[in-house]
Amino acid sequence: DIQMTQSPSAMSASVGDRVTITCRASQGISSSLGWFQQKPGKGPKRLIYAASTLQPGVPSRFSGNGSGTEFTLTISSLQPEDFATYYCLQHIIYPYTFGQGTKLEIK
Amino acid sequence: EVQLVESGGGLVQGGGSLRLSCAASGFIFNNFWMTWVRQVPGRGLEWVANIKYDGSEKYYVDSVKGRFTISRDNAKNSLYLQMNSLRADDSGVYFCASGGHCDFWGQGTLVTVSS
Repeated sequence: DIQMTQSPSAMSASVGDRVTITCRASQGISSSLGWFQQKPGKGPKRLIYAASTLQPGVPSRFSGNGSGTEFTLTISSLQPEDFATYYCLQHIIYPYTFGQGTKLEIK
Repeated sequence: EVQLVESGGGLVQGGGSLRLSCAASGFIFNNFWMTWVRQVPGRGLEWVANIKYDGSEKYYVDSVKGRFTISRDNAKNSLYLQMNSLRADDSGVYFCASGGHCDFWGQGTLVTVSS
C-alpha cells in the first residue's frame, strides 16, 4: 500500500498567519491527490483536487502544490474558521490511502 | 446541492452484521462512483471501498475483503455497505462520499462493535 505521511501532525498558529502542511507519498502518485478539511462532528470537505485545483466555492487563500511524492497545502492568511484537521488522500493505486492528519489549532 | 445521508449504524456484537445505507440527492447518482470511508473517533480517516457508477467494479481495503460488500441501487439513488463478521476494530463513524475521489461527504453513521 502507498503510505501517505503528513507533517506536522499538529500545529498552532494565529489568525493572519501563512501555514503550509506537507504530504509525502511512499511512491510516485503523479497529481492524484486531494486535500480535505474536517471540523469536529462533521464529515470532511474537499478543498483541493488533482493536487492543485481549488474545489469550487473554496476560498482562494487555500492552495495546493506538488506532484510525484511531495505535496503541500498552503493557507495564505488564516481565518478563524480554518482551525480544523486537514487530510491528504492519494487516489491512484488501490487501496486509496489518507495521511494521518494535521490538526491546526489557535495559538 | 449535493446531499448524502447515511443510516443503519448502531451497536452490534462481534461476529454480527449491519447494513449501512446512504441516500443521495442533488446530483446524477448513476453517473458517479461512490465511496465508503470510516473513522475511529478521535483518529484519522480510512478508505474502505468504492464502486463504479454501474456497479461493475468494486474495490476494498484488505482488512474488509471477504467480510464487507459495497453495492448500489441507481433506481433508488442509494449506496449500501453490507458488513458481516464484524470485529471490534470495525467500530467507527462510516461516511459515504460521492465520486471516486471523495468529492462530497455525508455526516456519517456510527458503528460500535462490542467484543
